[in-house]
Amino acid sequence: KNQVEQSPQSLIILEGKNCTLQCNYTVSPFSNLRWYKQDTGRGPVSLTIMTFSENTKSNGRYTATLDADTKQSSLHITASQLSDSASYICVVSRYNAGNMLTFGGGTRLMVKP
Amino acid sequence: ETGVTQSPTHLIKTRGQQVTLRCSSQSGHNTVSWYQQALGQGPQFIFQYYREEENGRGNFPPRFSGLQFPNYSSELDVNALELDDSALYLCASSLGDRASGGYTFGSGTRLTVV
Repeated sequence: KNQVEQSPQSLIILEGKNCTLQCNYTVSPFSNLRWYKQDTGRGPVSLTIMTFSENTKSNGRYTATLDADTKQSSLHITASQLSDSASYICVVSRYNAGNMLTFGGGTRLMVKP
Repeated sequence: ETGVTQSPTHLIKTRGQQVTLRCSSQSGHNTVSWYQQALGQGPQFIFQYYREEENGRGNFPPRFSGLQFPNYSSELDVNALELDDSALYLCASSLGDRASGGYTFGSGTRLTVV
């Protein structure tokens, strides 16, 4: 079964601290993995996208890693800011026509002052 | 370049009614996909339209239907609404029918079924 599991479900950190969010997937055949940031009641906004051959990709204070062998990814946020409070969703797509983006349940991050 | 626009932003319907949600795709994109996101959950894929034809569908019943217009905008229709249909409905546009490109999401339509 094609699934994407994220951990933790929720996380509270202090402003300025770093954090790492995890994503495990069983989607096959794998095409690419994306991390999105979603503010409450809004649509997801893309942070990174990685293909099979990419191990790491950065977007400002966000750094995503991918291990296609173990089917694991992580999103590391450095020097967190209050505006980082949001849900972070891991999305894996299958290599076939017709899309089929499979979303994880998300990690709800709260950054406190 | 315009982004993805969804309308309406909020909607309240009664169980058993029908609803139509609308999505205007980003300029240059020819593919639209729809997702249902229940509160506190990740989005679930409903279906995708590429060049006016449905070319992928998730695990949703036939009362969820849609279409895509020649300008690549799209509609999602839901018949015989049920209470569990209450959710945020997201539309995303992309270029091409493969999942290799970038997706631009709209802000969604919040549907409440009472």
